[in-house]
Amino acid sequence: DQQVKQNSPSLSVQEGRISILNCDYTNSMFDYFLWYKKYPAEGPTFLISISSIKDKNEDGRFTVFLNKSAKHLSLHIVPSQPGDSAVYFCAAIPFNAGNMLTFGGGTRLMVKP
Amino acid sequence: NAGVMQNPRHLVRRRGQEARLRCSPMKGHSHVYWYRQLPEEGLKFMVYLQKENIIDESGMPKERFSAEFPKEGPSILRIQQVVRGDSAAYFCASSATVGDFYFFGQGTRLTVV
Repeated sequence: DQQVKQNSPSLSVQEGRISILNCDYTNSMFDYFLWYKKYPAEGPTFLISISSIKDKNEDGRFTVFLNKSAKHLSLHIVPSQPGDSAVYFCAAIPFNAGNMLTFGGGTRLMVKP
Repeated sequence: NAGVMQNPRHLVRRRGQEARLRCSPMKGHSHVYWYRQLPEEGLKFMVYLQKENIIDESGMPKERFSAEFPKEGPSILRIQQVVRGDSAAYFCASSATVGDFYFFGQGTRLTVV
């Protein structure tokens, strides 16, 4: 049973436009969410996070939105750049359950020049 | 300050052999986590260790897999009698404390032939 799902395995966007990556979760105990970016043959690198007490967190071109009632979060990248092309994973941590991340399956973003 | 170091980067083993994957955490980090990424899937938690202690191994297969994080030296993920289904990318991450963000290594890609 996948507790964190990224239903779009890939997304193609034109440079300069907005990229929107979506993530859904089923476990109500999740209260902290993270997005990681991964290039081929490298480990995931942390991008941005959001606590369940917020509904939005912004860092430069990256904004994460959280809709707790819908158990949905999204990552917006504006404007998209070719260097953003990578696989993006959303991950979640349950309340009071240490530091273990549950990852979604990833979305491959391709930003075309 | 070097990041999380994993070696080898690539490991090829024949069915039935043993695989040993090493992870040196970032300096000052005493918490180590191992994740596995099967082809076309997200990362799955395997085990969480602190120095000399296994804190949570709920994601470890019951047989053939073991992990340690000795007082001195790197953390080792050991897979005995490897099978083709063990072929995956194995990522290690480390953090300074529980609740801290953690940083991933570049991974070891294990191929069982």
